[in-house]
Amino acid sequence: DAGVIQSPRHEVTEMGQEVTLRCKPISGHNSLFWYRQTMMRGLELLIYFNNNVPIDDSGMPEDRFSAKMPNASFSTLKIQPSEPRDSAVYFCASSLAGAYNEQFFGPGTRLTVL
Amino acid sequence: GEDVEQSLFLSVREGDSSVINCTYTDSSSTYLYWYKQEPGAGLQLLTYIFSNMDMKQDQRLTVLLNKKDKHLSLRIADTQTGDSAIYFCAESNTNAGKSTFGDGTTLTVKP
Repeated sequence: DAGVIQSPRHEVTEMGQEVTLRCKPISGHNSLFWYRQTMMRGLELLIYFNNNVPIDDSGMPEDRFSAKMPNASFSTLKIQPSEPRDSAVYFCASSLAGAYNEQFFGPGTRLTVL
Repeated sequence: GEDVEQSLFLSVREGDSSVINCTYTDSSSTYLYWYKQEPGAGLQLLTYIFSNMDMKQDQRLTVLLNKKDKHLSLRIADTQTGDSAIYFCAESNTNAGKSTFGDGTTLTVKP
């Protein structure tokens, strides 16, 4: 398996623009997680899905952020409109649901909002 | 809710042992994990320990778990420059469906 795939790897955009980050989890995994990492706030869990259903979105910072998982092999995280404080590395991770929760992380998308 | 805390920085000399510490609050934690993040990459599982164990050894890595004090440590023997990275402590329990991560400890290994 190729592991968790994220695209794009880097995104530079201007304030106010819409940004869409994409993730393909490992085949067979039924849990998917979106994280944000910054120097100031560390690693934050934004939202996670189990069997394509959002379970906990309490980490989503504002209504400007939305996430979808239309099927088991694809998820998106959208920011509309984007702001400079959204600049961060966004990670997607997948796992098999259960007490043992080893998560497999993608390489991340580095987002810069000017 | 669950909380996992770890010190932010550790600096050691090449060849010394490194010890990274972590405390957690969830008394129902089932598994505890150590992840490693190298520059420009995502986190990758390094090792884990089941909550009914108090020690696990894997080559240069030793994990110690004190369940009473909710304290987890990772010891890296003969630390090498390639061990320089951010190390994250995490825990999960049967019902959560997710893991709770600490903020990460940046390990710097000086030659």
